[in-house]
Amino acid sequence: QSALTQPRSVSGSPGQSVTIPCTGTSSDIGTYNYVSWYQQHPGEAPKLMVFDVTKRPSGVPGRFSGSKSGNTASLTISGLQAEDEADYYCQSYAGNYMWVFGGGTKLTVL
Amino acid sequence: QLQLQESGPGLVKPSETLSLTCTVSGGSISGDDYYWVWIRQPPGQGLEWIGSLYHTRSTYYNPSLESRVTISADTSANQFSLTLDSVTAADTAIYYCARHVNGKYYVNYWGQGTLVTVSS
Repeated sequence: QSALTQPRSVSGSPGQSVTIPCTGTSSDIGTYNYVSWYQQHPGEAPKLMVFDVTKRPSGVPGRFSGSKSGNTASLTISGLQAEDEADYYCQSYAGNYMWVFGGGTKLTVL
Repeated sequence: QLQLQESGPGLVKPSETLSLTCTVSGGSISGDDYYWVWIRQPPGQGLEWIGSLYHTRSTYYNPSLESRVTISADTSANQFSLTLDSVTAADTAIYYCARHVNGKYYVNYWGQGTLVTVSS
């Protein structure tokens, strides 16, 4: 069970869109539509932003959207705002009650 | 409102056992509606699923940690616990307890996390 692969960092200017990819395998992302994304600000616990690939919990802005193609899931943040600057983690179900996380991506709002 | 709070020693010596407890308020750990989870995050690194507890007695562990990990429940205290044997510096991390709904594969409630440092 290997960690999912994310870029270490991405950046964008206010108002722009950024996409964070998360690459897994046919044993996790490729098989299950159970990909979630979490936002983590320094010193805080992660916060759920997207679940089941495309769904948003209540209270999460519509600027956050998820998608999946093959073994790669993606989180897109449109209309970037300063408060979106944070670390983002993907997570997938991997069968047999196992979960796997990505290594995290630091989003910088320029 | 559900709340989870981790507690335990912040410093553990190498080769010893790490023990943490998660106290749950605003909901019961008994029953079949939820899984109770431990997740850790080494300083400056990503998240790692440690394991899950279901129905206070069924446990599922990360294969990379399975030989050293035990997750158990104390229903009378509405707590669940983590023990990790034979720790090394690589086990230094923020340890989070969390909850997810049975049949769902995402965490919607997290504890605040507790830092455990492994050092002599």
